[in-house]
Amino acid sequence: SQQGEEDPQALSIQEGENATMNCSYKTSINNLQWYRQNSGRGLVHLILIRSNEREKHSGRLRVTLDTSKKSSSLLITASRAADTASYFCATDAGRGSTLGRLYFGRGTQLTVWP
Amino acid sequence: EAQVTQNPRYLITVTGKKLTVTCSQNMNHEYMSWYRQDPGLGLRQIYYSMNVEVTDKGDVPEGYKVSRKEKRNFPLILESPSPNQTSLYFCASSFKGQGAYEQFFGPGTRLTVL
Repeated sequence: SQQGEEDPQALSIQEGENATMNCSYKTSINNLQWYRQNSGRGLVHLILIRSNEREKHSGRLRVTLDTSKKSSSLLITASRAADTASYFCATDAGRGSTLGRLYFGRGTQLTVWP
Repeated sequence: EAQVTQNPRYLITVTGKKLTVTCSQNMNHEYMSWYRQDPGLGLRQIYYSMNVEVTDKGDVPEGYKVSRKEKRNFPLILESPSPNQTSLYFCASSFKGQGAYEQFFGPGTRLTVL
């Protein structure tokens, strides 16, 4: 399937440290998105990067995309306890894919200790 | 306020008793989708809809039905629920088109089938 896979499955860090999560996917894509989920709640969109972009920033978030390696990374700088959540990458399925359909990975559980 | 609403938020039922989980969005989105989330399995798509009267199976459609009679509503129907449908369910919506659009998620419905 096209499903992305996040790595690591779980990440535990101290406040102030940076957190890096990775996502790998299988086929070509038009865009890749990152979402955040607080425990048991709905996912919230964080950032979108298109296949012709290599890096994108939004506040303390930095996303990179390497289409040759079919991978993306999400960096959260100067993490805070409030960043504790699960983070998911989601991809479309590239040219010819169903418009709007996204494929989600299993997520990385980030815990930030005060 | 732009949002996706789901009802009920929590439901405990018994095997075989038909139930419907409602989903409504106020953003005039064409695309709507249902996911289930289970520990270790991430989000799996059940059904999606590209527009009114247009629905299609996702990755795990067995045991579910949907309908899209109005643009804003996309109910999920379990005709004869079974314990393996115990899960956390999310409805999501977005625009569709050649561009890339973020999906907006509802707050989730936690379903327990005894």
